[in-house]
Amino acid sequence: DTAVSQTPKYLVTQMGNDKSIKCEQNLGHDTMYWYKQDSKKFLKIMFSYNNKELIINETVPNRFSPKSPDKAHLNLHINSLELGDSAVYFCASSPWTSEQFFGPGTRLTVL
Amino acid sequence: GESVGLHLPTLSVQEGDNSIINCAYSNSASDYFIWYKQESGKGPQFIIDIRSNMDKRQGQRVTVLLNKTVKHLSLQIAATQPGDSAVYFCAEEEYGNKLVFGAGTILRVKS
Repeated sequence: DTAVSQTPKYLVTQMGNDKSIKCEQNLGHDTMYWYKQDSKKFLKIMFSYNNKELIINETVPNRFSPKSPDKAHLNLHINSLELGDSAVYFCASSPWTSEQFFGPGTRLTVL
Repeated sequence: GESVGLHLPTLSVQEGDNSIINCAYSNSASDYFIWYKQESGKGPQFIIDIRSNMDKRQGQRVTVLLNKTVKHLSLQIAATQPGDSAVYFCAEEEYGNKLVFGAGTILRVKS
């Protein structure tokens, strides 16, 4: 029944490691997003994909690479993790130009 | 609670009172606005939206008001309940489904 799901929910890792977060939506939406929410709750878009095509790329370091194998999935791979990458990462999906549905978030802690 | 250490504006209301949460947006060209509610440990959840050709829209217990002259958005919650306690975000759509979120307001409901 889950509309937008993310795995894992929690991710604790060492600096310098490479990690991935997965996202899936079963709403049939064409557009998917990744957001980063920092410790002050500030929520900022990182990427969006429409029908597997990159639409928005918001000056995110190229250590972050989104991958969309199909319309229902948008994964986020992060290389060489840094302390400043610690945050909650949210996946979202929407029909084009309409409300966005958010996943439950992945809390990433880099030690 | 999760709000400890957060320096977001906080609105404390008595259960049963009405709440008004305000938001200033920056882009006069934005034509779509959304209010989201984020409970502790969860992703943002859509509450209500409004397009720039309207100045008021009502939902169940919620009303959004848009004043384009002063670039101001407000969310009114009638008969506030303990379950309304959360962080509330306004968001404006800039282009290509890019949402820009405000800083957030903590709503605390006292029983």
